[in-house]
Amino acid sequence: GQNIDQPTEMTATEGAIVQINCTYQTSGFNGLFWYQQHAGEAPTFLSYNVLDGLEEKGRFSSFLSRSKGYSYLLLKELQMKDSASYLCAVLDSNYQLIWGAGTKLIIKP
Amino acid sequence: SQTIHQWPATLVQPVGSPLSLECTVEGTSNPNLYWYRQAAGRGLQLLFYSVGIGQISSEVPQNLSASRPQDRQFILSSKKLLLSDSGFYLCAWSVIRDDTGELFFGEGSRLTVL
Repeated sequence: GQNIDQPTEMTATEGAIVQINCTYQTSGFNGLFWYQQHAGEAPTFLSYNVLDGLEEKGRFSSFLSRSKGYSYLLLKELQMKDSASYLCAVLDSNYQLIWGAGTKLIIKP
Repeated sequence: SQTIHQWPATLVQPVGSPLSLECTVEGTSNPNLYWYRQAAGRGLQLLFYSVGIGQISSEVPQNLSASRPQDRQFILSSKKLLLSDSGFYLCAWSVIRDDTGELFFGEGSRLTVL
């Protein structure tokens, strides 16, 4: 079966750095997404990786290793507004998105 | 620019009552349209997707149905709601033939079945 694993919850301090990991086992691979979802709101797009390596976008970076079935989202200079759930999703061989359950990130002052 | 709207935002319904959630997209034509459900603490579950008017694919057998009467309108319905239908429902669209598969979500509809 297809599976996306990410930690259920993480806690970090304002101003610090946090890394949210995602491992996947899917039938084929056409890219990996990270979405941010604030409580009670719809997910919003953060990043898309299809080749191995690091994609940097401001305070957020996303890394992909296709051979290891592994990705991480790195958040730097954490702000209170970064408190949210972070969803990892993989586009499989049929171009269907397979979603992880999300990682709830709690930022403490 | 493209926008997507869904309504109602919040719904409290008794078991056995009907359901209708509506979603419309503006600023694009012939989009892929999706209905997802998100139960508390779980990942997004794809319920239905549509690649064109009248074309609906169901991913999970259930008492829900979907219709696409117009190119940019997608409706989620039920004749009789179950307690297990409670959740956060999200409509989304993507560009057909876009290999990145990026989804753009509506605001979400929170359904509570009592």
